[in-house]
Amino acid sequence: AQSVSQHNHHVILSEAASLELGCNYSYGGTVNLFWYVQYPGQHLQLLLKYFSGDPLVKGIKGFEAEFIKSKFSFNLRKPSVQWSDTAEYFCAVNSGGSNYKLTFGKGTLLTVNP
Amino acid sequence: KAGVTQTPRYLIKTRGQQVTLSCSPISGHRSVSWYQQTPGQGLQFLFEYFSETQRNKGNFPGRFSGRQFSNSRSEMNVSTLELGDSALYLCASSLAGYGNTIYFGEGSWLTVV
Repeated sequence: AQSVSQHNHHVILSEAASLELGCNYSYGGTVNLFWYVQYPGQHLQLLLKYFSGDPLVKGIKGFEAEFIKSKFSFNLRKPSVQWSDTAEYFCAVNSGGSNYKLTFGKGTLLTVNP
Repeated sequence: KAGVTQTPRYLIKTRGQQVTLSCSPISGHRSVSWYQQTPGQGLQFLFEYFSETQRNKGNFPGRFSGRQFSNSRSEMNVSTLELGDSALYLCASSLAGYGNTIYFGEGSWLTVV
């Protein structure tokens, strides 16, 4: 069974700091990878996704993630965070054969202090 | 274009009761899936429906069931509610086919007392 591990439960940064959230998955076959964000009181929104091609994926709001197959990782990055990035971030994976079942990590709560 | 709509947004039930949650997917989306979100377990997949057929099922007891109608709207039902069923239940929809984005609704907050 596939699983997703997010290294940090809670990250606290100051505005303009750089962000990197770790995500590792366990699955030996073809995977599709996602980062979702949940702002306070709002629904889950897709930040970015990787299906194939360039392992460096750019998403909305200046976020990007790099798929490193040899490390089973899909870390999320942003060069300069803003107070409005305060939210919970979820990494998710599904196996190539099933587009409709997502396995999520436990989430990382990001707090950005102004 | 309307997003994924879930009703009711909030509800309180008593142990032993049953509950039905409703989901209207984005227009044109035929795949509807359900997730349970709790502080302890995070987001867990319940089941997925496509064209009124359940295609995938997560590791939940038989008390959790669902269905999909011909207009792609979906319902999930939880019978004999337990305190541990208190959670945010999320519905998601997507277009058929590989590579399509899965869109989530705002969820239904269920509290079991």
